[in-house]
Amino acid sequence: AQRVTQPEKLLSVFKGAPVELKCNYSYSGSPELFWYVQYSRQRLQLLLRHISRESIKGFTADLNKGETSFHLKKPFAQEEDSAMYYCAREEGTALIFGKGTTLSVSS
Amino acid sequence: DGGITQSPKYLFRKEGQNVTLSCEQNLNHDAMYWYRQDPGQGLRLIYYSQIVNDFQKGDIAEGYSVSREKKESFPLTVTSAQKNPTAFYLCASSTPQGALNYGYTFGSGTRLTVV
Repeated sequence: AQRVTQPEKLLSVFKGAPVELKCNYSYSGSPELFWYVQYSRQRLQLLLRHISRESIKGFTADLNKGETSFHLKKPFAQEEDSAMYYCAREEGTALIFGKGTTLSVSS
Repeated sequence: DGGITQSPKYLFRKEGQNVTLSCEQNLNHDAMYWYRQDPGQGLRLIYYSQIVNDFQKGDIAEGYSVSREKKESFPLTVTSAQKNPTAFYLCASSTPQGALNYGYTFGSGTRLTVV
């Protein structure tokens, strides 16, 4: 069974539209959850982690334990947000990643 | 300039040969990881190491081997037993899990092609 599920392979939106990238996880307890982003020709990098409760580049993610979800949201998408986004959770001492969602923002 | 370096960027291997991918970090991180990235599959964990001279298998360790003789280095060997080795390989390192700045730092990857 998948431990981190990202149901959408591709999400296409117009500039200025709201964005929600979905992530569900399988775990009982209090997981440590992350979003990583990979822009074209750049390294995979940390976007945010739920424990820090930060807003990075306008993105936020709220942990919903009842729905076991950690969806990534941004109210107004920008073209520079186009990238591959991975949701990840801790399992033991390593991170397990979802399959990723490609976000495409067009003008 | 602190970071994590993977080499080479591109690697070609003949079937039946072993090949070793290099990963070096100067971030003073204790933990290091190897992932395989395939289209539509995301990142899958191959091996990881929390400390020198110790490492654990990840989800897809078969056909791979690693060593961790130095804190800075975590080489990955793709053996001839790996049935489908053509892929993009990512190395990462991290601070301890309880650290305020906990998170992975990734290398730029090695693309391995079996010819």
